[in-house]
Amino acid sequence: AQTVTQSQPEMSVQEAETVTLSCTYDTSESDYYLFWYKQPPSRQMILVIRQEAYKQQNATENRFSVNFQKAAKSFSLKISDSQLGDAAMYFCAYHTNAGKSTFGDGTTLTVKP
Amino acid sequence: NAGVTQTPKFQVLKTGQSMTLQCAQDMNHEYMSWYRQDPGMGLRLIHYSVGAGITDQGEVPNGYNVSRSTTEDFPLRLLSAAPSQTSVYFCASSYGRGETQYFGPGTRLLVL
Repeated sequence: AQTVTQSQPEMSVQEAETVTLSCTYDTSESDYYLFWYKQPPSRQMILVIRQEAYKQQNATENRFSVNFQKAAKSFSLKISDSQLGDAAMYFCAYHTNAGKSTFGDGTTLTVKP
Repeated sequence: NAGVTQTPKFQVLKTGQSMTLQCAQDMNHEYMSWYRQDPGMGLRLIHYSVGAGITDQGEVPNGYNVSRSTTEDFPLRLLSAAPSQTSVYFCASSYGRGETQYFGPGTRLLVL
């Protein structure tokens, strides 16, 4: 069974600064997909970024980028130029080819003005 | 497009009662999943489906049943509610394997 670990229950960042959220996972599969989702206080889950395991290039989406280290089974999220609207709970998720998903327990990000 | 819709938004049940949480999507997605989210925790997979007529168990399936008779609908049935099933339930759908999941707004369930 796959496991996803987010070792930082809470993080804070100053507005306009950069923050990195950590995620590690355990799997014996070679083909899978990794995601970061954001959950603001509204509870609506929103995609932040997606990475395909067979792609070596790290995914980037505007101010959000990942550092994907397949051998180390690490998938960290970097948020640059943090904004007040980035405050939320962030979940790392692992998706298998069979359609099953495993989520980490989340990191609560606070953005200080 | 309405996306993924869930009803009801909030429900209170007594121990032993049964109910069905409804989930529908209008994006013609093949994959659908049900999750529960307990306070301060991530989402745990209850059941999932990779197409009409095909369902499988996730991490925490006990006490829940699902069926998928159409591509659009994926109801979750609680057979005999227990206080341990108090949680927020999310339904999600995606176009295919490894694709982004789109989530419904969630159903808050309180079992007394």
